[in-house]
Amino acid sequence: DAGVIQSPRHEVTEMGQEVTLRCKPISGHDYLFWYRQTMMRGLELLIYFNNNVPIDDSGMPEDRFSAKMPNASFSTLKIQPSEPRDSAVYFCASSFSGGPGNTIYFGEGSWLTVV
Amino acid sequence: AQKITQTQPGMFVQEKEAVTLDCTYDTSDQSYGLFWYKQPSSGEMIFLIYQGSYDEQNATEGRYSLNFQKARKSANLVISASQLGDSAMYFCAMTLFKTIFGAGTRLFVKA
Repeated sequence: DAGVIQSPRHEVTEMGQEVTLRCKPISGHDYLFWYRQTMMRGLELLIYFNNNVPIDDSGMPEDRFSAKMPNASFSTLKIQPSEPRDSAVYFCASSFSGGPGNTIYFGEGSWLTVV
Repeated sequence: AQKITQTQPGMFVQEKEAVTLDCTYDTSDQSYGLFWYKQPSSGEMIFLIYQGSYDEQNATEGRYSLNFQKARKSANLVISASQLGDSAMYFCAMTLFKTIFGAGTRLFVKA
C-alpha cells in the first residue's frame, strides 16, 4: 500500500515568495496532520483535520500560514509570504480512527529552505 | 494539558547490548495512546510501537518493547540486542485527540 505522499521533497525559495506543500494521505485514513520540525523547536503540530474539516489550528504560527483539505485525498499547506525562519522540514501524516491508538503514519517530509 | 518529556538528549550503547530510552508524560485523561518513532539520518519518521493506556501487557514488537508504568506516567522504550542500524533519533509521543512529541533522544550504537 502507498504511504503518505508529500511533494515537493525539497524546495528552495526566496524570501517573500509563496510556498505550497502538498500531501496525499493514506487511503481510508480520516485524520490528517501537518507538523513542522526544526532543531530549535523539535516537532510541532501545526494543524490537523478530521474528515477534511480543520479541528485544531492553534499551532499555525501566524497568518502567513494556511492549510486546506478540499477532499479526503489531498491537502495543502501554504506559506505566503515566506520568510527565512520558515526553513524547516514539514511533515504530513495521517491516521485512521479505527486503528490501534490512531497511530499516525508520516510522509517523507518536505525540506523547505527560504533564502 | 498534554506533555511529553525525554530527558536524555543522547545515549551510547554497545552493539548487541540492550538500551532503555526514557519517556515520561503528563495528562489528566485516562484514555490515551503512547508511541515511539524512529528517525534515521535520512529523515523519515518510522512508527515502532504503540501502547494503549488501558493495555495491561507491555507492548512488544520484535526487538522493541515498551515498559509502561502507568502510575509513574512513564513509557520507556527498550531496544534489545542493539544493531548499528539502530543509530537514530527516537521520539516518544502521546495521543489524546492529537499527537504530540517529545524532544527526542539520539542513540549512538558503537561497534
